Amino acid sequence: EAGVTQSPTHLIKTRGQQATLRCSPISGHTSVYWYQQALGLGLQFLLWYDEGEERNRGNFPPRFSGRQFPNYSSELNVNALELEDSALYLCASSRALTGGQETQYFGPGTRLLVL
Amino acid sequence: AQTVTQSQPEMSVQEAETVTLSCTYDTSESNYYLFWYKQPPSRQMILVIRQEAYKQQNATENRFSVNFQKAAKSFSLKISDSQLGDTAMYFCAFILNSGGYQKVTFGTGTKLQVIP
Repeated sequence: EAGVTQSPTHLIKTRGQQATLRCSPISGHTSVYWYQQALGLGLQFLLWYDEGEERNRGNFPPRFSGRQFPNYSSELNVNALELEDSALYLCASSRALTGGQETQYFGPGTRLLVL
Repeated sequence: AQTVTQSQPEMSVQEAETVTLSCTYDTSESNYYLFWYKQPPSRQMILVIRQEAYKQQNATENRFSVNFQKAAKSFSLKISDSQLGDTAMYFCAFILNSGGYQKVTFGTGTKLQVIP
């Protein structure tokens, strides 16, 4: 079974630009989660998509947005990049929630560097 | 709001010894889920173990076990017979799932070094 994949592995942008990060979930998984892992801050929850809809978002400004496609893959967009957006962005996927809590499986991440 | 605290930024253990990583959390909810994830150097995050809050029995996965103290809001991870491959960052995670709403909170991690 193929795991969660993310692209690109590395991304270098300058302040004010836009970044687009992509994630493909494990086959059969309908939920996709995005996290920001900045140095020393652990993982900060960004967004949760399920069945094509945004279900929840963390405490991030609106310039962090995304979407989920009909094939359940997802895209994270970061507009007006700032230096502090430099981080590892992790995507995770899980099966649909059916009353319990499904385990999240993580991808390898996209390392974003903003210069 | 939920918080997760991992009070040990770094730890080390001799190979074959046992080590315990601590995690405490704060919530007013009663139905939630706890996870330990491992992130080896330059490798992706993988699940170590999970615990449902409604289960009294502590979860165990081979050399990994948890000590879940619901009243104390504590969820420590014990690694027995430590191996060099256990060297990694370990993250404790709290997930509240209620009526289709999820709230996910991760701790800041504990860097574990297994010494040969």
